Amino acid sequence: EVQLVQSGAEVKEPWESLKISCKASGYSFTSFYIAWVRQMPGKGLEWMGIIYPGDSDTRYSPSLQGQVTISADNSISTAYLQWGSLKSSDTAMYYCVRHDPRSGYYFDYWGQGTLVTVSS
Amino acid sequence: QSALTQPASVSGSPGQSITISCTGTSSDVGAYSYVSWYQQHPGRAPKLMIYDVSNRPSGVSNRFSGSKSGNTASLTISGLQAEDEADYYCSSYTSRNTWVFGGGTKVTAL
Repeated sequence: EVQLVQSGAEVKEPWESLKISCKASGYSFTSFYIAWVRQMPGKGLEWMGIIYPGDSDTRYSPSLQGQVTISADNSISTAYLQWGSLKSSDTAMYYCVRHDPRSGYYFDYWGQGTLVTVSS
Repeated sequence: QSALTQPASVSGSPGQSITISCTGTSSDVGAYSYVSWYQQHPGRAPKLMIYDVSNRPSGVSNRFSGSKSGNTASLTISGLQAEDEADYYCSSYTSRNTWVFGGGTKVTAL
């Protein structure tokens, strides 16, 4: 069974750093892309970026380039989303999602979400 | 990159059919047959309902169907049921090798 299990909710202050995780199981981690999707409170979905663990190819939304870092550790089948300096506007639910490059351009499995709250 | 345009809300009586539109540009919706639709119930993660414009994943009711004409894609829910009440988002692959989502549509069964 394919599963994407995300790390727990985080409460941080502005300027702090943060790294959240997404552990994959039930499939070959290096053969599928993992993307991150943001949902700010009461708002819609926003695609943030994507990584192919097979070769670490990474792409970012032009609007978020430089604000976050996406990475992966193939040894533990885990993808990460990282901030160097959080802002209050980073408060949101973050989902990791899987993309199969062989079958189309959609996201077939979603993690349960990680709620990040940034407040002083 | 601008979000795809969806109506904020659509409603219908149980048993009726409703259609949600999703308008993009020639760089996303109009460029490829890579439009997908996601259903999100309150407090839950989104769920894939339609991919590649009109294909249903295994387990999704055949009451859900998708289509596309030019820069506009559509999701139709036939025989609307109370359980269909949710937010629906369209998404498209883009010519910049990125993805873009729509703003979301709240579906209400009156």
